[in-house]
Amino acid sequence: AQSVAQPEDQVNVAEGNPLTVKCTYSVSGNPYLFWYVQYPNRGLQFLLKYITGDNLVKGSYGFEAEFNKSQTSFHLKKPSALVSDSALYFCAVRDITGKSTFGDGTTLTVKP
Amino acid sequence: EAGVAQSPRYKIIEKRQSVAFWCNPISGHATLYWYQQILGQGPKLLIQFQNNGVVDDSQLPKDRFSAERLKGVDSTLKIQPAKLEDSAVYLCASSLDPLGGTQYFGPGTRLLVL
Repeated sequence: AQSVAQPEDQVNVAEGNPLTVKCTYSVSGNPYLFWYVQYPNRGLQFLLKYITGDNLVKGSYGFEAEFNKSQTSFHLKKPSALVSDSALYFCAVRDITGKSTFGDGTTLTVKP
Repeated sequence: EAGVAQSPRYKIIEKRQSVAFWCNPISGHATLYWYQQILGQGPKLLIQFQNNGVVDDSQLPKDRFSAERLKGVDSTLKIQPAKLEDSAVYLCASSLDPLGGTQYFGPGTRLLVL
């Protein structure tokens, strides 16, 4: 069965510093990988995805993620964090049948 | 372009009652998903439709939950009878492509079972 692990429940960074939100996955076959963000009382919003090609994927709001096949990881990164980036972030993996599995989320807090 | 619509936004019921949620996906999106998100957890897929056919319902508690997508457009998720542990946010999402396509989520329906 496929799975996603987000090992940190909470990540705290200072505004202007780089941020990383970690994600590792397990799936049969080639993975389709996604990051979503959830703001309070709002639905999930798509940030970026990896389907194939370049291992470094760029997405919305200056976020990027690096696919590492050997480490089965897809960490979310941003060079300079903003207070407005504070939210709940979810990593998801999809297998070749189209079934999606989400991690339990990481709360990012960016302090001024 | 209109997003995924869901109603109601909030619902409070007593255990053993029934409840229904409605979802209208983005126009043209053949794939529709229902997720259950319990507080502190990630969304869990309940059922996935491709047009009006079920692709995956392996995690749907079929003794109490049912879903349909008549005519391959909007969808209804029903719980009958509800249990306390069904308290959660029910998210509907749709996508153009079930494999690489981005899932677009609705605002969700927050259910509280007393």
